[in-house]
Amino acid sequence: EAQVTQNPRYLITVTGKKLTVTCSQNMNHEYMSWYRQDPGLGLRQIYYSMNVEVTDKGDVPEGYKVSRKEKRNFPLILESPSPNQTSLYFCASSFMGLDEQFFGPGTRLTVL
Amino acid sequence: ILNVEQSPQSLHVQEGDSTNFTCSFPSSNFYALHWYRWETAKSPEALFVMTLNGDEKKKGRISATLNTKEGYSYLYIKGSQPEDSATYLCAFRMDSSYKLIFGSGTRLLVRP
Repeated sequence: EAQVTQNPRYLITVTGKKLTVTCSQNMNHEYMSWYRQDPGLGLRQIYYSMNVEVTDKGDVPEGYKVSRKEKRNFPLILESPSPNQTSLYFCASSFMGLDEQFFGPGTRLTVL
Repeated sequence: ILNVEQSPQSLHVQEGDSTNFTCSFPSSNFYALHWYRWETAKSPEALFVMTLNGDEKKKGRISATLNTKEGYSYLYIKGSQPEDSATYLCAFRMDSSYKLIFGSGTRLLVRP
């Protein structure tokens, strides 16, 4: 089944404790992206990647890192999480980056 | 700062009613306009990707139109059903950019 998977689905952590949210897709898509969703603000793009080893900032990259060492994986790293990073996070992928995006199930992160 | 606006923010209709909502986006440097359907506790799913001025797309009872010169798109739902209850998101892509900018969505509730 074609899909985008994210892990973990739920995470409660404390300020400053490094964490990684994994994202993987099995559709051989070139493009992958991370979004955060906050009430009243819609989806905001954090980082995106057009291909292996090619990443670029979205609209809200501060406090996040990403890497794209393999085509299928695009982990989101929070080196020192803070409470304002409490949010619902979605990973998405698309074939060439200019067409419809397929979203993962979401990761709900709470930073205390 | 590029702005994508959706109206109304929320809409309550009776089963069988037809409804429509609006997405407004910058009219310059247009590349594509996406529509997604997001049900509670699920991931956003693509409805349409529209690229040409005057484009009309249809999927079952849902259709969309696009006016790139004036910077708006309409989404129509004919004969709304309770299963149409969801948040409908539009997203704008500028020419030569891989960023996708989302509106904050229109939340539709269809009462039986």
